[in-house]
Amino acid sequence: GQQLNQSPQSMFIQEGEDVSMNCTSSSIFNTWLWYKQDPGEGPVLLIALYKAGELTSNGRLTAQFGTTRKDSFLNISASIPSDVGIYFCAGENTGTASKLTFGTGTRLQVML
Amino acid sequence: NAGVTQTPKFQVLKTGQSMTLQCAQDMNHNSMYWYRQDPGMGLRLIYYSASEGTTDKGEVPNGYNVSRLNKREFSLRLESAAPSQTSVYFCASRTAMNTEAFFGQGTRLTVV
Repeated sequence: GQQLNQSPQSMFIQEGEDVSMNCTSSSIFNTWLWYKQDPGEGPVLLIALYKAGELTSNGRLTAQFGTTRKDSFLNISASIPSDVGIYFCAGENTGTASKLTFGTGTRLQVML
Repeated sequence: NAGVTQTPKFQVLKTGQSMTLQCAQDMNHNSMYWYRQDPGMGLRLIYYSASEGTTDKGEVPNGYNVSRLNKREFSLRLESAAPSQTSVYFCASRTAMNTEAFFGQGTRLTVV
């Protein structure tokens, strides 16, 4: 099946730092999504990308749909303690009957 | 605003026991999903139901069965639980492809 690998697996950063993470796939996706999971909760959608090369922002978060359609990137600027959690990418293709595939996750921890 | 409700929240089973995880959504969504979350493996799709009356296998269906009882409810059954099925299980739902998926709070299952 399709595999979505995220890196880094985990990261510790200082409050105020910028964060970058990425997601790569063994095959092409038509839609890329980024979700965040807070401890003890289910994931919540942050950003959706629908077109190769697309760059979309949501507050301090910016995500990009890679031009090869096999990767996507998420940046968080000026991190704050509530950014702690696990960030998941997810990919989807038309014609796969509504199947939504998630990545391995990046765990973010912010030091004060 | 209930959204996606999963029951139970926690469960401990002995090897070989059976149980059904329940999921219900009140958003009139067509598609529903079951994922399992394991450390370092991200969210892996077990089964999904693109619409009422249909179910399909995901990446890791072995050892599980599902029932889309009606539009609201999608249950996951473990017929003979194994320690390898120790995991956190998430149910999700959405209207259609390329729309936001909403997750429940998860069921933490331990098989001893």
